[in-house]
Amino acid sequence: KNEVEQSPQNLTAQEGEFITINCSYSVGISALHWLQQHPGGGIVSLFMLSSGKKKHGRLIATINIQEKHSSLHITASHPRDSAVYICAVTDGNKLVFGAGTILRVKS
Amino acid sequence: GAGVSQSPSNKVTEKGKDVELRCDPISGHTALYWYRQRLGQGLEFLIYFQGNSAPDKSGLPSDRFSAERTGESVSTLTIQRTQQEDSAVYLCASSFVHLNSPLHFGNGTRLTVT
Repeated sequence: KNEVEQSPQNLTAQEGEFITINCSYSVGISALHWLQQHPGGGIVSLFMLSSGKKKHGRLIATINIQEKHSSLHITASHPRDSAVYICAVTDGNKLVFGAGTILRVKS
Repeated sequence: GAGVSQSPSNKVTEKGKDVELRCDPISGHTALYWYRQRLGQGLEFLIYFQGNSAPDKSGLPSDRFSAERTGESVSTLTIQRTQQEDSAVYLCASSFVHLNSPLHFGNGTRLTVT
């Protein structure tokens, strides 16, 4: 079993839909990161959180430490949100990455 | 510069040659990371620097791979006697504090070994 599991692996949505991407982990962590990788390859850090909820624009990230689960929500999705979304958690002295969720938003 | 800078952006080399990849982190960032991403795959950890020391080299795939960092500045990743399986995008990231501040990624170096 991978230490970080993301679901779904692939997601296609219609423009305007509310999107949820999930991340479950099996290790004790001090922080969880959500990253976005666009088709050109560049990676952007969206959130780093260790408890509760954070919001930035149309993006919301939540984490439940007891359940070892985090969700990334996108409200009013847009084709420019199409990207790979990656969850990563700290495990001791390193980051462990999920395999990513490929999101495609159609207009 | 404002972000993490990597050079070259693309490198094509013949099997058996040595290559050197460079990363300029954001000024003031003490932690620096190298990752590898093969086509269609996830991020693979290679090495991390805290200042100019490397507490964790566990991800380096073989002794052909080495890395160094000058102070809290530039880092170079060197691959000796390149093999075709080394073809990948090599990504560098830096953060202000190891594991407890957001990561900032460079655009990567796409390495193709022919």
